[in-house]
Amino acid sequence: KAGVTQTPRYLIKTRGQQVTLSCSPISGHRSVSWYQQTPGQGLQFLFEYFSETQRNKGNFPGRFSGRQFSNSRSEMNVSTLELGDSALYLCASSWTTTSGGYYNEQFFGPGTRLTVL
Amino acid sequence: KNEVEQSPQNLTAQEGEFITINCSYSVGISALHWLQQHPGGGIVSLFMLSSGKKKHGRLIATINIQEKHSSLHITASHPRDSAVYICAVKFNTDKLIFGTGTRLQVFP
Repeated sequence: KAGVTQTPRYLIKTRGQQVTLSCSPISGHRSVSWYQQTPGQGLQFLFEYFSETQRNKGNFPGRFSGRQFSNSRSEMNVSTLELGDSALYLCASSWTTTSGGYYNEQFFGPGTRLTVL
Repeated sequence: KNEVEQSPQNLTAQEGEFITINCSYSVGISALHWLQQHPGGGIVSLFMLSSGKKKHGRLIATINIQEKHSSLHITASHPRDSAVYICAVKFNTDKLIFGTGTRLQVFP
Protein backbone atom coordinates (compact mmCIF):
# COMPACT_ATOMS: atom_id res chain seq x y z
CA LYS A 1 0.00 0.00 0.00
CA ALA A 2 1.45 3.34 -0.99
CA GLY A 3 2.13 5.80 1.81
CA VAL A 4 1.14 9.42 2.12
CA THR A 5 2.60 11.53 -0.66
CA GLN A 6 3.17 15.26 -0.72
CA THR A 7 4.06 17.53 -3.59
CA PRO A 8 6.15 19.44 -4.13
CA ARG A 9 8.92 18.36 -1.76
CA TYR A 10 10.71 21.70 -1.88
CA LEU A 11 9.49 25.16 -2.72
CA ILE A 12 11.02 28.61 -2.73
CA LYS A 13 8.75 31.65 -2.81
CA THR A 14 9.06 35.36 -2.13
CA ARG A 15 7.14 37.45 0.37
CA GLY A 16 3.65 38.35 -0.75
CA GLN A 17 3.24 35.38 -3.06
CA GLN A 18 0.84 32.54 -2.44
CA VAL A 19 1.52 28.82 -2.45
CA THR A 20 -0.50 25.62 -2.77
CA LEU A 21 0.69 22.33 -1.33
CA SER A 22 -0.82 18.96 -2.13
CA CYS A 23 -1.30 15.79 -0.09
CA SER A 24 -2.51 12.38 -1.23
CA PRO A 25 -3.51 10.14 1.69
CA ILE A 26 -3.12 6.41 2.01
CA SER A 27 -5.78 4.64 -0.04
CA GLY A 28 -8.95 4.27 2.03
CA HIS A 29 -8.03 7.00 4.49
CA ARG A 30 -10.61 9.77 4.64
CA SER A 31 -8.97 12.16 7.10
CA VAL A 32 -6.12 14.48 6.22
CA SER A 33 -4.48 16.75 8.78
CA TRP A 34 -1.91 19.45 8.11
CA TYR A 35 0.93 20.51 10.39
CA GLN A 36 3.60 23.19 10.38
CA GLN A 37 7.04 22.46 11.83
CA THR A 38 9.56 25.20 12.57
CA PRO A 39 12.72 25.16 14.70
CA GLY A 40 11.22 27.74 17.06
CA GLN A 41 7.67 26.48 17.51
CA GLY A 42 8.05 22.78 16.78
CA LEU A 43 5.10 20.91 15.35
CA GLN A 44 1.78 22.73 15.31
CA PHE A 45 -1.61 21.58 14.11
CA LEU A 46 -3.09 23.58 11.24
CA PHE A 47 -6.38 21.86 10.36
CA GLU A 48 -8.05 18.55 9.68
CA TYR A 49 -10.32 17.61 6.80
CA PHE A 50 -12.62 14.64 6.81
CA SER A 51 -15.13 13.82 4.09
CA GLU A 52 -14.42 17.18 2.40
CA THR A 53 -15.28 19.15 5.58
CA GLN A 54 -12.93 20.98 7.89
CA ARG A 55 -13.38 19.28 11.26
CA ASN A 56 -10.83 21.05 13.42
CA LYS A 57 -8.60 24.07 13.15
CA GLY A 58 -5.49 25.21 14.94
CA ASN A 59 -4.52 28.73 15.90
CA PHE A 60 -3.30 30.08 12.57
CA PRO A 61 -4.34 33.20 10.67
CA GLY A 62 -6.86 33.11 7.87
CA ARG A 63 -4.05 33.24 5.30
CA PHE A 64 -3.79 29.50 5.86
CA SER A 65 -6.62 27.58 4.25
CA GLY A 66 -7.27 24.15 2.89
CA ARG A 67 -9.70 21.92 1.15
CA GLN A 68 -10.33 18.27 0.50
CA PHE A 69 -11.60 16.64 -2.63
CA SER A 70 -13.99 13.74 -3.03
CA ASN A 71 -11.05 11.34 -3.52
CA SER A 72 -9.69 12.49 -0.10
CA ARG A 73 -6.73 14.31 -1.62
CA SER A 74 -6.16 17.60 0.13
CA GLU A 75 -4.57 20.92 -0.69
CA MET A 76 -3.30 23.61 1.62
CA ASN A 77 -2.98 27.21 0.54
CA VAL A 78 -1.03 30.03 2.13
CA SER A 79 -1.67 33.51 0.78
CA THR A 80 0.44 36.63 1.18
CA LEU A 81 3.49 34.71 2.31
CA GLU A 82 5.60 36.06 5.16
CA LEU A 83 9.18 35.19 6.09
CA GLY A 84 7.87 33.40 9.17
CA ASP A 85 5.93 30.96 7.01
CA SER A 86 9.19 29.24 6.11
CA ALA A 87 8.73 25.77 7.54
CA LEU A 88 8.30 22.09 6.89
CA TYR A 89 4.63 21.42 6.14
CA LEU A 90 3.53 17.90 6.91
CA CYS A 91 0.29 16.18 6.18
CA ALA A 92 -0.95 13.03 7.85
CA SER A 93 -3.78 10.70 6.97
CA SER A 94 -6.01 8.51 9.09
CA TRP A 95 -8.84 6.15 8.21
CA THR A 96 -11.34 8.28 10.14
CA THR A 97 -11.57 11.68 11.78
CA THR A 98 -9.19 12.59 14.58
CA SER A 99 -11.58 15.27 15.90
CA GLY A 100 -14.69 15.35 18.05
CA GLY A 101 -13.19 13.31 20.86
CA TYR A 102 -11.64 10.76 18.57
CA TYR A 103 -8.01 10.15 17.81
CA ASN A 104 -6.73 7.52 15.45
CA GLU A 105 -3.21 6.66 14.44
CA GLN A 106 -1.97 9.04 11.79
CA PHE A 107 0.51 8.30 9.05
CA PHE A 108 2.71 11.15 7.95
CA GLY A 109 3.93 12.20 4.53
CA PRO A 110 7.54 13.27 3.85
CA GLY A 111 6.65 16.95 4.03
CA THR A 112 7.06 20.00 1.83
CA ARG A 113 9.89 22.32 2.80
CA LEU A 114 8.82 25.88 2.05
CA THR A 115 11.35 28.69 2.03
CA VAL A 116 10.09 32.27 1.84
CA LEU A 117 12.65 34.85 0.74
CA LYS B 1 -4.69 24.96 29.69
CA ASN B 2 -3.34 22.24 27.42
CA GLU B 3 0.35 21.69 28.01
CA VAL B 4 2.85 19.03 27.07
CA GLU B 5 6.35 18.75 28.47
CA GLN B 6 8.92 16.39 27.11
CA SER B 7 12.29 15.47 28.62
CA PRO B 8 15.14 15.31 28.17
CA GLN B 9 15.62 17.71 25.27
CA ASN B 10 18.82 15.96 24.19
CA LEU B 11 20.11 12.50 24.96
CA THR B 12 23.40 10.84 24.11
CA ALA B 13 23.93 7.12 24.64
CA GLN B 14 26.34 4.33 23.90
CA GLU B 15 25.12 1.44 21.82
CA GLY B 16 23.38 -1.11 24.03
CA GLU B 17 22.19 1.32 26.68
CA PHE B 18 18.61 1.48 27.96
CA ILE B 19 16.92 4.75 26.98
CA THR B 20 13.95 6.48 28.59
CA ILE B 21 12.14 9.51 27.17
CA ASN B 22 9.38 11.18 29.17
CA CYS B 23 6.22 13.06 28.26
CA SER B 24 4.02 14.82 30.83
CA TYR B 25 0.76 16.61 30.22
CA SER B 26 -1.49 18.89 32.20
CA VAL B 27 -5.11 17.77 31.91
CA GLY B 28 -7.27 14.90 30.70
CA ILE B 29 -6.46 13.28 27.39
CA SER B 30 -8.08 10.89 24.96
CA ALA B 31 -4.83 9.54 23.49
CA LEU B 32 -1.07 9.97 23.33
CA HIS B 33 0.97 9.25 20.22
CA TRP B 34 4.73 8.61 20.11
CA LEU B 35 6.44 9.62 16.86
CA GLN B 36 9.95 9.25 15.49
CA GLN B 37 11.44 11.82 13.13
CA HIS B 38 14.62 11.13 11.20
CA PRO B 39 16.92 13.76 9.68
CA GLY B 40 15.27 14.96 6.48
CA GLY B 41 11.90 15.26 8.17
CA GLY B 42 10.06 11.96 7.70
CA ILE B 43 7.86 11.09 10.69
CA VAL B 44 7.04 7.52 11.65
CA SER B 45 4.26 6.51 14.01
CA LEU B 46 5.57 4.35 16.86
CA PHE B 47 2.73 3.89 19.35
CA MET B 48 -0.70 5.24 20.13
CA LEU B 49 -1.77 4.83 23.76
CA SER B 50 -4.76 5.66 25.89
CA SER B 51 -3.85 3.34 28.78
CA GLY B 52 -1.38 0.69 29.86
CA LYS B 53 1.64 -0.43 27.93
CA LYS B 54 2.59 -1.38 24.38
CA LYS B 55 5.67 -3.15 23.07
CA HIS B 56 7.11 -3.47 19.58
CA GLY B 57 10.51 -5.03 19.22
CA ARG B 58 12.97 -3.08 21.36
CA LEU B 59 10.51 -0.23 21.94
CA ILE B 60 8.14 -0.04 24.91
CA ALA B 61 5.65 2.72 25.63
CA THR B 62 3.77 3.16 28.88
CA ILE B 63 1.19 5.63 30.08
CA ASN B 64 -0.02 6.43 33.60
CA ILE B 65 -3.31 8.27 33.33
CA GLN B 66 -3.47 9.21 37.04
CA GLU B 67 0.01 10.73 36.98
CA LYS B 68 -0.51 12.25 33.50
CA HIS B 69 2.76 10.83 32.28
CA SER B 70 4.01 8.60 29.48
CA SER B 71 7.42 7.07 28.86
CA LEU B 72 9.07 5.67 25.77
CA HIS B 73 11.79 3.11 26.45
CA ILE B 74 14.35 1.75 24.01
CA THR B 75 16.13 -1.39 25.12
CA ALA B 76 19.57 -2.28 23.73
CA SER B 77 19.84 1.01 21.83
CA HIS B 78 21.48 1.06 18.41
CA PRO B 79 22.91 3.87 16.27
CA ARG B 80 19.95 3.49 13.89
CA ASP B 81 17.70 4.60 16.78
CA SER B 82 19.25 8.07 16.47
CA ALA B 83 16.37 10.40 15.70
CA VAL B 84 14.05 12.94 17.29
CA TYR B 85 11.25 11.40 19.35
CA ILE B 86 8.07 13.42 19.74
CA CYS B 87 4.98 12.84 21.84
CA ALA B 88 1.66 14.15 20.55
CA VAL B 89 -1.15 14.54 23.07
CA LYS B 90 -4.83 14.65 22.14
CA PHE B 91 -6.62 16.47 24.94
CA ASN B 92 -10.27 15.97 25.86
CA THR B 93 -10.76 19.55 24.61
CA ASP B 94 -9.96 18.17 21.13
CA LYS B 95 -6.66 20.06 20.96
CA LEU B 96 -3.64 18.18 19.64
CA ILE B 97 -0.40 19.45 21.18
CA PHE B 98 3.09 18.20 20.39
CA GLY B 99 6.01 17.95 22.75
CA THR B 100 9.19 19.80 21.82
CA GLY B 101 10.94 16.55 20.99
CA THR B 102 13.92 14.60 22.35
CA ARG B 103 16.98 14.42 20.13
CA LEU B 104 18.62 11.03 20.67
CA GLN B 105 22.10 10.17 19.45
CA VAL B 106 23.39 6.65 19.93
CA PHE B 107 27.10 6.09 19.36
CA PRO B 108 28.69 2.75 18.51
